[in-house]
Amino acid sequence: KQEVTQIPAALSVPEGENLVLNCSFTDSAIYNLQWFRQDPGKGLTSLLLIQSSQREQTSGRLNASLDKSSGRSTLYIAASQPGDSATYLCAPPGNTGKLIFGQGTTLQVKP
Amino acid sequence: DTGVSQNPRHKITKRGQNVTFRCDPISEHNRLYWYRQTLGQGPEFLTYFQNEAQLEKSRLLSDRFSAERPKGSFSTLEIQRTEQGDSAMYLCASSSRLPGQGTYEQYFGPGTRLTVT
Repeated sequence: KQEVTQIPAALSVPEGENLVLNCSFTDSAIYNLQWFRQDPGKGLTSLLLIQSSQREQTSGRLNASLDKSSGRSTLYIAASQPGDSATYLCAPPGNTGKLIFGQGTTLQVKP
Repeated sequence: DTGVSQNPRHKITKRGQNVTFRCDPISEHNRLYWYRQTLGQGPEFLTYFQNEAQLEKSRLLSDRFSAERPKGSFSTLEIQRTEQGDSAMYLCASSSRLPGQGTYEQYFGPGTRLTVT
C-alpha cells in the first residue's frame, strides 16, 4: 500500500530564498508523480508531472526531481515570492491511477 | 481554471438530509475521480470512473454514498442521511492518457465545501 510523507509539514522563509520541499513514498513501482499547489479553501493546481523515465522536470522557478529507487521526490522553488505561499502536495499514483497524497507542506513566504 | 467545474461550490445542510454534488470534467477526459479532503489533510480517494463504468470504490465510501457517471460525461456524488463527519471538501478530478505515453495527468476542480450542522 502506497504511503506518502512530506517533510517539513510547515515552512516559513523570507522572500528571495531558494527552498526544497521533500516527498517520500513507500512503493517505488510508479509511472509518474505529480506536484500540486493548493491555496486555502481552493482546489488543487497541477504544477509539474514527472514521469518515471525522467529525473527532473522544470517549469519556471520550479524544478522537480524523482528518484524512484530511493522513493523520493523533491520540489525546488527558486527565488521564493510571497505569492508562492500555499500548501504543496506530492502525489504518486496508486493502481488505477488514483493519486495518493501526503499531508502536504504549508509554505509561507514573508515579504 | 483547469477546465473541471464543480457545483455547488458550497453546501450547508442539516444532519440527516441528502445532498448531491456535480462534477463536469474536461470534455475529452475518459477518467474521473472523486476525493475527499478534511482540514489539514491531503485529499483521500473515494471512487473512480472510466467512461461510465465505476471501477473502484474506497472503503471510505460507505453505503450512504453513491456516485454515477451516466453516458461517461458529468458525474454526481450523492450522500444520503448526512452526518457531521461528512463535513469536508469534495474534489473531482479528470484525466486522460498523455499522447504517446502510459501516463495520466489529473486536473482538479475547485471543490465543493460541505458543512453538516
